[in-house]
Amino acid sequence: DVKVTQSSRYLVKRTGEKVFLECVQDMDHENMFWYRQDPGLGLRLIYFSYDVKMKEKGDIPEGYSVSREKKERFSLILESASTNQTSMYLCASSRTGGLQPQHFGDGTRLSIL
Amino acid sequence: AQSVSQHNHHVILSEAASLELGCNYSYGGTVNLFWYVQYPGQHLQLLLKYFSGDPLVKGIKGFEAEFIKSKFSFNLRKPSVQWSDTAEYFCAVMNSGNTPLVFGKGTRLSVIA
Repeated sequence: DVKVTQSSRYLVKRTGEKVFLECVQDMDHENMFWYRQDPGLGLRLIYFSYDVKMKEKGDIPEGYSVSREKKERFSLILESASTNQTSMYLCASSRTGGLQPQHFGDGTRLSIL
Repeated sequence: AQSVSQHNHHVILSEAASLELGCNYSYGGTVNLFWYVQYPGQHLQLLLKYFSGDPLVKGIKGFEAEFIKSKFSFNLRKPSVQWSDTAEYFCAVMNSGNTPLVFGKGTRLSVIA
């Protein structure tokens, strides 16, 4: 069964901390995505990557960065966490040929105190 | 920029009632259209998609959606809902160029016995 695995289901961090969210996929997919999901706002794209070491900004990249050193792993970094980054973060992947996510991870619910 | 509107935030239906969830988009060119579903505690999954051809698309679990180009709409329907259809439903749109998917804000469906 195909899998997108996010390293943590729940995470609590403090304001100002540097936070790393990890995502690994086992399908050899080229495209990977990071979204945040907030009630009443749906899914908003933070960053995506279509190849190793390649990244593109999504709709809300401010306060975030990403890293894609290996094809299977896509990391989201909160440089200096703030309370307005408390959210559910979803990772997704897809094959090349279309930037629509095919498989989603279970999500990381991040709370910034 | 593209936008996707889902008019209903929360829909409550009795079992066996018919369902129609509205979705409108703003992009005027060729589009690809999607509905995703997120059951409680589960990851998002693709329900159905439209790329071209027959504007009436059949998806999993008895769902269907109709693309009406003149109305910029892609409404989701099911003739008779079940309690297990309780979930959040997201419409999403992608233009035919290689740009990422844009999601609507979601509609929460609650089916009661």
